[in-house]
Amino acid sequence: EPEVTQTPSHQVTQMGQEVILRCVPISNHLYFYWYRQILGQKVEFLVSFYNNEISEKSEIFDDQFSVERPDGSNFTLKIRSTKLEDSAMYFCASTPDSSLNIQYFGAGTRLSVL
Amino acid sequence: EDQVTQSPEALRLQEGESSSLNCSYTVSGLRGLFWYRQDPGKGPEFLFTLYSAGEEKEKERLKATLTKKESFLHITAPKPEDSATYLCAVHSYSSASKIIFGSGTRLSIRP
Repeated sequence: EPEVTQTPSHQVTQMGQEVILRCVPISNHLYFYWYRQILGQKVEFLVSFYNNEISEKSEIFDDQFSVERPDGSNFTLKIRSTKLEDSAMYFCASTPDSSLNIQYFGAGTRLSVL
Repeated sequence: EDQVTQSPEALRLQEGESSSLNCSYTVSGLRGLFWYRQDPGKGPEFLFTLYSAGEEKEKERLKATLTKKESFLHITAPKPEDSATYLCAVHSYSSASKIIFGSGTRLSIRP
């Protein structure tokens, strides 16, 4: 069964460093998303991406964050200068159809900022 | 502002003891309501989507229902492997694509 793949599973970084989280969405899907979940809290929307553009973003997704689809398969989230409060699980999701909008999630990347 | 509230926060059942989880929502027009299962350290796993009041969906021991204000996830004769956190999420007409999650119900089934 097709699945969303995320790498790495765990990323440890120093405060102020740049990190790139990688995702391979399901192959025929067109809409891509990043969410985060701080330990013990809700899953929160960060950004949606379609046709090589950001279609929607939350207030969390400030200038420190950027997304990119560098080729036909990968979808990345970059955090330019990490802060302690960026420590969280980051989930990538994809859907083939924005009207039904059934989003399929990857297993996540645990980001630990020291 | 769109909101999703789930109750209870945690639920412990004996194997075979049926129960229901609640998801109350306030949205500016519901486009879809979703139930996900999340195991510790994993991503949300899609279970059901419901689009209109009165709709019901079933999968094995789980059944999801929808009214204009809330959704229920009914669990019939649960097994220990049903232990997980169950997340409710909504997509409203105020948003192009984001879904808003509730805090989840942590379900534990004792053998």
